[in-house]
Amino acid sequence: GESVGLHLPTLSVQEGDNSIINCAYSNSASDYFIWYKQESGKGPQFIIDIRSNMDKRQGQRVTVLLNKTVKHLSLQIAATQPGDSAVYFCAENRATGRRALTFGSGTRLQVQP
Amino acid sequence: DAGVIQSPRHEVTEMGQEVTLRCKPISGHDYLFWYRQTMMRGLELLIYFNNNVPIDDSGMPEDRFSAKMPNASFSTLKIQPSEPRDSAVYFCASSFGGGRETQYFGPGTRLLVL
Repeated sequence: GESVGLHLPTLSVQEGDNSIINCAYSNSASDYFIWYKQESGKGPQFIIDIRSNMDKRQGQRVTVLLNKTVKHLSLQIAATQPGDSAVYFCAENRATGRRALTFGSGTRLQVQP
Repeated sequence: DAGVIQSPRHEVTEMGQEVTLRCKPISGHDYLFWYRQTMMRGLELLIYFNNNVPIDDSGMPEDRFSAKMPNASFSTLKIQPSEPRDSAVYFCASSFGGGRETQYFGPGTRLLVL
């Protein structure tokens, strides 16, 4: 049930710790960003989104930070749980008229009990 | 809400055979997307529809691939003839409002072409 890539970057954290997953994007014209979580054998699941007029947005146990100056996006997960183990993708909408998302390559999060 | 429904969940076929993947989007959504996910290339957009009309098919790999959306509640992705390099997981997603709105993904169809 692997989702992508034998060579996905992997973040390994202890249960209860905070996790930070990073993503760089290339198009300065992108104005909408989403984080998705993909568990083994399942489709990507929406976690949180942010628009380019914001720097930070919080959800339940998750926070997304957007730094437009360096074109960087991060997902912070508080008190990481075993159920958070998955591949995490950032996606951007490149505001060029094409109303579709471009996905990053993903980061695998492994939570150690 | 049942979410996006895809069928079949798994498909094993032989090279040269026709493969048809099916998708039922979430009711009320006006955008439908087909993606392909492979180990080498990650998640790639193949084609998307708005109000049943294909808008961008630039991601479709070649003429062997075709997609249709005859109505708001059904879409198909067809591969004819199939080749081993088409082996991948194919996802359908839908949204209300396109690229700047949340896309909801189906469970995917895992295709293996022998």
